[in-house]
Amino acid sequence: DAGITQSPRYKITETGRQVTLMCHQTWSHSYMFWYRQDLGHGLRLIYYSAAADITDKGEVSDGYVVSRSKTENFPLTLESATRSQTSVYFCASGTSGRAFEQFFGPGTRLTVL
Amino acid sequence: LAKTTQPISMDSYEGQEVNITCSHNNIATNDYITWYQQFPSQGPRFIIQGYKTKVTNEVASLFIPADRKSSTLSLPRVSLSDTAVYYCLVGDKNTDKLIFGTGTRLQVFP
Repeated sequence: DAGITQSPRYKITETGRQVTLMCHQTWSHSYMFWYRQDLGHGLRLIYYSAAADITDKGEVSDGYVVSRSKTENFPLTLESATRSQTSVYFCASGTSGRAFEQFFGPGTRLTVL
Repeated sequence: LAKTTQPISMDSYEGQEVNITCSHNNIATNDYITWYQQFPSQGPRFIIQGYKTKVTNEVASLFIPADRKSSTLSLPRVSLSDTAVYYCLVGDKNTDKLIFGTGTRLQVFP
């Protein structure tokens, strides 16, 4: 099915472990984004990518790593998870890196113990 | 980063018009303003986007003054299903990063 998917949908991990969140889109959109949304707060940009092998930091990129070897995939890695990274993570895709229409995935709820 | 602010919450009744304002004093010159709707446990959903003046689609209107330092999302004749959190999205002039607004929780009553 066309769209944007995220996996896993729920993840519990421990402090210090490495965690990778996956994002896959079928629209062939050039741009992909990762946001985090903390309980009771809005969305903050972590990283974005304009194309395969082109990535750039957002507002809250410390502690996160991204890669984009294929247009359709944009994994987000927490190299050494901390409790402050407990959040809901949303992936999005779009045709522009500006404040243009973006299509969001269902989110991954990550808990770091 | 400059804050993009919205009222925390708003209440309305079915059939009324609702106007939600976003203040974005530091908006990037070349950027659009986009609005999203978010239901609990879901990702945000695009509503409308605009650059200046007024834009209207089948679900909402977006009003942007000449200085572009704010924008107003207008929802005509809201229904119970419009109960959600609404966010604006802009680019920041200084950092060139995308910034979501603080979000407005709209509650529609019968």
